[in-house]
Amino acid sequence: DAGITQSPRHKVTETGTPVTLRCHQTENHRYMYWYRQDPGHGLRLIHYSYGVKDTDKGEVSDGYSVSRSKTEDFLLTLESATSSQTSVYFCAISDPGGGSSYEQYFGPGTRLTVT
Amino acid sequence: SQELEQSPQSLIVQEGKNLTINCTSSKTLYGLYWYKQKYGEGLIFLMMLQKGGEEKSHEKITAKLDEKKQQSSLHITASQPSHAGIYLCGAAPGGYQKVTFGTGTKLQVIP
Repeated sequence: DAGITQSPRHKVTETGTPVTLRCHQTENHRYMYWYRQDPGHGLRLIHYSYGVKDTDKGEVSDGYSVSRSKTEDFLLTLESATSSQTSVYFCAISDPGGGSSYEQYFGPGTRLTVT
Repeated sequence: SQELEQSPQSLIVQEGKNLTINCTSSKTLYGLYWYKQKYGEGLIFLMMLQKGGEEKSHEKITAKLDEKKQQSSLHITASQPSHAGIYLCGAAPGGYQKVTFGTGTKLQVIP
């Protein structure tokens, strides 16, 4: 298994509070991603990073920000949590280029409930 | 944006039976990923198809890519309870870093 951990694994928070989720990898992969998974919507990309301090928006980035100050860590922040952000959040990593394959490896997920 | 539709949405099969899951794209497929997700866990990469007509196998799971139909099929032979889970296809039309996923097919295998 790829060395990807997410913390916390479960969190309950109140509407309006800021929340930060952490993804940590030990694979030295260049790309890191944050997805959310919801019934009926599948997996949707929130933000991704292609290097330290290099990030870009995904499909559903409103209300989320990210930071990557080190190769191994990618943080997802919900600036002011809303009930619509209740979801399961997955981090993924990949290391495309140089003839290597492009698959993404996923972390175990964080279940976030906003009350 | 590219949309991926999976069919069926859910499937219940008897152990030992064969089954097929389809993934149809609204746009040209340049690469197609298949992942499996066990309930409450992260996704596990199964295989990636890059060229039209390409076929790959992973244990008893075979996937094919039909570029003309903009479709990929995943076939499981002699299903086992260990095959149960959610199967998701993904495609990356805008570059390999931005993958769009289908909504998944939930598979149950009855012993």
